[in-house]
Amino acid sequence: DAGVTQSPTHLIKTRGQHVTLRCSPISGHKSVSWYQQVLGQGPQFIFQYYEKEERGRGNFPDRFSARQFPNYSSELNVNALLLGDSALYLCASSLGQEAFFGQGTRLTVV
Amino acid sequence: KQEVTQIPAALSVPEGENLVLNCSFTDSAIYNLQWFRQDPGKGLTSLLLIQSSQREQTSGRLNASLDKSSGRSTLYIAASQPGDSATYLCAVPIYSGAGSYQLTFGKGTKLSVIP
Repeated sequence: DAGVTQSPTHLIKTRGQHVTLRCSPISGHKSVSWYQQVLGQGPQFIFQYYEKEERGRGNFPDRFSARQFPNYSSELNVNALLLGDSALYLCASSLGQEAFFGQGTRLTVV
Repeated sequence: KQEVTQIPAALSVPEGENLVLNCSFTDSAIYNLQWFRQDPGKGLTSLLLIQSSQREQTSGRLNASLDKSSGRSTLYIAASQPGDSATYLCAVPIYSGAGSYQLTFGKGTKLSVIP
């Protein structure tokens, strides 16, 4: 079975640009969450979606938004990129209590 | 607010040694605790999920224990191998209303197993 897949793997953007990251959950998983991980830190919660509805939002500015599609895949959008947005963005899906993560998207803002 | 701490931040051991990684949390009202492994620049691999009603959970050479009352969990790795070198993170979930669920992570322990 395919695990959680994220695209792209790596991305370089310029300050002020917009970026869209994509995530496909494990088949049958209806909950998708997004996390940001900066170097040397643990992942920080950004959003959780369940059945296409936002169920939770972390302490991130409104420049961050997300959505979930009918097939449960998800997009994370970040507008007006700042240098500080450079990080590994992780997507997780879950069916019960256990979370399964993708390989992440490494975003570098220059 | 739940806070998760992992000490030490880094650990170096010779191959074959048994070792223990520590995780502590401030709010003992947890449903479960999950241990992950992260290789450099990669995503997280789930190792073990231990329920609040369990005291131990085992998978191969890994054994996780949980003591809710003291706010501690340990991950025991037996007969360490160079391939075990990675960062190990623990996380506890926070459940809010309307089905909201988020994980709170520690900063991880970076393990190096020296051949």
